[in-house]
Amino acid sequence: GAGVSQSPSNKVTEKGKDVELRCDPISGHTALYWYRQSLGQGLEFLIYFQGNSAPDKSGLPSDRFSAERTGGSVSTLTIQRTQQEDSAVYLCASSLRSQPGLYNSPLHFGNGTRLTVT
Amino acid sequence: DAKTTQPPSMDCAEGRAANLPCNHSTISGNEYVYWYRQIHSQGPQYIIHGLKNNETNEMASLIITEDRKSSTLILPHATLRDTAVYYCIVRVPNNAGNMLTFGGGTRLMVKP
Repeated sequence: GAGVSQSPSNKVTEKGKDVELRCDPISGHTALYWYRQSLGQGLEFLIYFQGNSAPDKSGLPSDRFSAERTGGSVSTLTIQRTQQEDSAVYLCASSLRSQPGLYNSPLHFGNGTRLTVT
Repeated sequence: DAKTTQPPSMDCAEGRAANLPCNHSTISGNEYVYWYRQIHSQGPQYIIHGLKNNETNEMASLIITEDRKSSTLILPHATLRDTAVYYCIVRVPNNAGNMLTFGGGTRLMVKP
């Protein structure tokens, strides 16, 4: 079946512009995560959605970052007034919630959106 | 989450077994051990996970020591396409959000 799909794969934008990044998770996956990865670095958690619960926004680096998940499926990460330090690969992942209260299902990642702010 | 330590890099000859170690000496009883890998320009790919018992799937085997303080990922017959950064992660199963913390990983280079 189809994996996690992210679009666009590459985005170049000017400093100060807003950008929207899209994630289509695997069908039936109730959990959705956004991470970002700077060049040569590990993954930095941004935000997590699980079903209809309130999202865990604890990783968002500033109020310029926001995310939505409509209908429990597609998610959009929005960065307002982009800065050069926002340049990174933004990765989306989804997973099943295998049992109530347990989250041991593996995450399945998309190939990311490479954002370059000039 | 418990911290993991991995060697920064390893080499392996094509066709030979690649054994990637991971130390997680502060792991707690309900934390699973996960392995992911990341090939250049792609998102991380799930490989395998386990709690106490050794696990095997079509990609790899996971050997967890009896005290659970370390584990080894085994790629039985490494190919050039297995060249990637391999991440060992421990994870609390009821901590849903931020708990996939990726460290530096091991850069595995499979050589012909």
